Amino acid sequence: AQKVTQAQTEISVVEKEDVTLDCVYETRDTTYYLFWYKQPPSGELVFLIRRNSFDEQNEISGRYSWNFQKSTSSFNFTITASQVVDSAVYFCALSEGQTGANNLFFGTGTRLTVIP
Amino acid sequence: KAGVTQTPRYLIKTRGQQVTLSCSPISGHRSVSWYQQTPGQGLQFLFEYFSETQRNKGNFPGRFSGRQFSNSRSEMNVSTLELGDSALYLCASSLEGRYNQPQHFGDGTRLSIL
Repeated sequence: AQKVTQAQTEISVVEKEDVTLDCVYETRDTTYYLFWYKQPPSGELVFLIRRNSFDEQNEISGRYSWNFQKSTSSFNFTITASQVVDSAVYFCALSEGQTGANNLFFGTGTRLTVIP
Repeated sequence: KAGVTQTPRYLIKTRGQQVTLSCSPISGHRSVSWYQQTPGQGLQFLFEYFSETQRNKGNFPGRFSGRQFSNSRSEMNVSTLELGDSALYLCASSLEGRYNQPQHFGDGTRLSIL
């Protein structure tokens, strides 16, 4: 069965600090997709990144970077030089390639608070 | 390009009533998915529609139903409302035909059951 675990419920950092959000997943499929979404207080889920199971390259986008490691079933997300606007709940999600169609299995989310 | 639009933003109902929520996807997106978000259960997949057909369904009772129109707009209906149905209902759309494309979410409809 598929499962996404975000063990960190809440994290607080001071502005300009780096912070890493952890995500561990479980799936029996060999083809799957991993996503990160951000949910600010307004409620809308904002898509950040998608990675498929055949692409283990790390990715950097501005202050954001993602570390995908199949060996440890992890897809961690790092924010460098955090800003107050980064305060939000961040969700990691899994979609299975063979049977999952378009349904996402979400982790429980990590609430990030960036203190000015 | 307009995003996913959900109406209404807020809704208050009483137990036993029924409710219909609406979702207009991003132009060109033909897949629409619905999710329920609660503090206790988190984000859970309800169902997905593509080309007016339900393509996938989560583990929710039959009181939760949906449909999709020819213009890809979708509605979700919940009948015989229960207190536990209080939640943020999120709609997401993605590009036609292909699985696992990034889903783009609306602001949600916050449903409160009294």
